[in-house]
Amino acid sequence: GDSVTQMEGPVTLSEEAFLTINCTYTATGYPSLFWYVQYPGEGLQLLLKATKADDKGSNKGFEATYRKETTSFHLEKGSVQVSDSAVYFCALSIQAGTALIFGKGTTLSVSS
Amino acid sequence: SAVISQKPSRDICQRGTSLTIQCQVDSQVTMMFWYRQQPGQSLTLIATANQGSEATYESGFVIDKFPISRPNLTFSTLTVSNMSPEDSSIYLCSVDLQGYGYTFGSGTRLTVV
Repeated sequence: GDSVTQMEGPVTLSEEAFLTINCTYTATGYPSLFWYVQYPGEGLQLLLKATKADDKGSNKGFEATYRKETTSFHLEKGSVQVSDSAVYFCALSIQAGTALIFGKGTTLSVSS
Repeated sequence: SAVISQKPSRDICQRGTSLTIQCQVDSQVTMMFWYRQQPGQSLTLIATANQGSEATYESGFVIDKFPISRPNLTFSTLTVSNMSPEDSSIYLCSVDLQGYGYTFGSGTRLTVV
């Protein structure tokens, strides 16, 4: 069935380090792909999305490119901040109007 | 994007009782989704609520335990029935506004004692 696989965490980085969180998916058809962020004690916020192959989503310095050939949507940021400490979820939607399928989440901890 | 009001934000309940969670959206939407997030875990879909028909439940979730109402295009409720400590989780509702993406309510943090 359709699924999302994220790299295991936690990921611990120093401020200004480069971040990559790997995400791969299995899906029939052409899903839309998403990254959500959950800050401590808060709800889920959409970070970025991509709806077709080669699309690049970007927001707040984060980027992810929809790679159909490798079925991946890796999240990157060139220089992380302490305020980026959160749990990051990769997710997919098979088609508009259907529920999101989430990966297990990756906890990022950034220290100063 | 849609604004979702979810309440209560948190509750502590006695085992064997029931809690109803409400989700109000500021736009009309066809589908509303209910998720459970157990401590330290990812989100698991409980059911999809379509206005005018019975909700569709995922494997492992049943209507008797998690009855859902969807009386109109902007509102839904999820009830957690006959609660046990294993039901302690965050429950979230979500909608998909085409073109804006999926929006989530702020969640209901439930503790069963």
